[in-house]
Amino acid sequence: QKEVEQDPGPLSVPEGAIVSLNCTYSNSAFQYFMWYRQYSRKGPELLMYTYSSGNKEDGRFTAQVDKSSKYISLFIRDSQPSDSATYLCAMSANAGNMLTFGGGTRLMVKP
Amino acid sequence: NAGVTQTPKFQVLKTGQSMTLQCAQDMNHNSMYWYRQDPGMGLRLIYYSASEGTTDKGEVPNGYNVSRLNKREFSLRLESAAPSQTSVYFCASSEMAALAYEQYFGPGTRLTVT
Repeated sequence: QKEVEQDPGPLSVPEGAIVSLNCTYSNSAFQYFMWYRQYSRKGPELLMYTYSSGNKEDGRFTAQVDKSSKYISLFIRDSQPSDSATYLCAMSANAGNMLTFGGGTRLMVKP
Repeated sequence: NAGVTQTPKFQVLKTGQSMTLQCAQDMNHNSMYWYRQDPGMGLRLIYYSASEGTTDKGEVPNGYNVSRLNKREFSLRLESAAPSQTSVYFCASSEMAALAYEQYFGPGTRLTVT
């Protein structure tokens, strides 16, 4: 079993929808939680990171961490076709540790 | 600023051939990383360099070697390529090892080994 699991999708939604992307993990030592966005044939780019539990908001994006359930989420409000990409979650136990990535969820936002 | 650059963008090798993937960053970052990305597997760390002059193995180092040439450049070498090394390779950097959660990635090298 992988340490970090993500549904590969694809997840197809209409423009303007609220999108929920999720990851589950098994290592209770993880404390740093990241979301990276990867456009087709490009390198990943960091969207947001969260330390420990709680919510963090940045524009249309909200990251949520529930350590008790070992579950993290990324919500995208008012989704746009330009949000169509693969979203990778990543985690680490400490700020300087190696990152453990999920396999990514492919999102398609239809106009 | 170009950020992180990688060469080549594409490469086809025959089994047993060798090659070096080049990576350079212009952000004055101390730490650099090499990953491979396979369908459904996410990104897996091959090697990393916490600072100039140091390198360490990651999750999947077998079949690879690295050189931290200077602060800017970090190369990945395949000595004897195998079909299992067909993958997309990404180089990344972070300001320092203690900020490993904030990594900046290059555009990738698509390698096929036949």
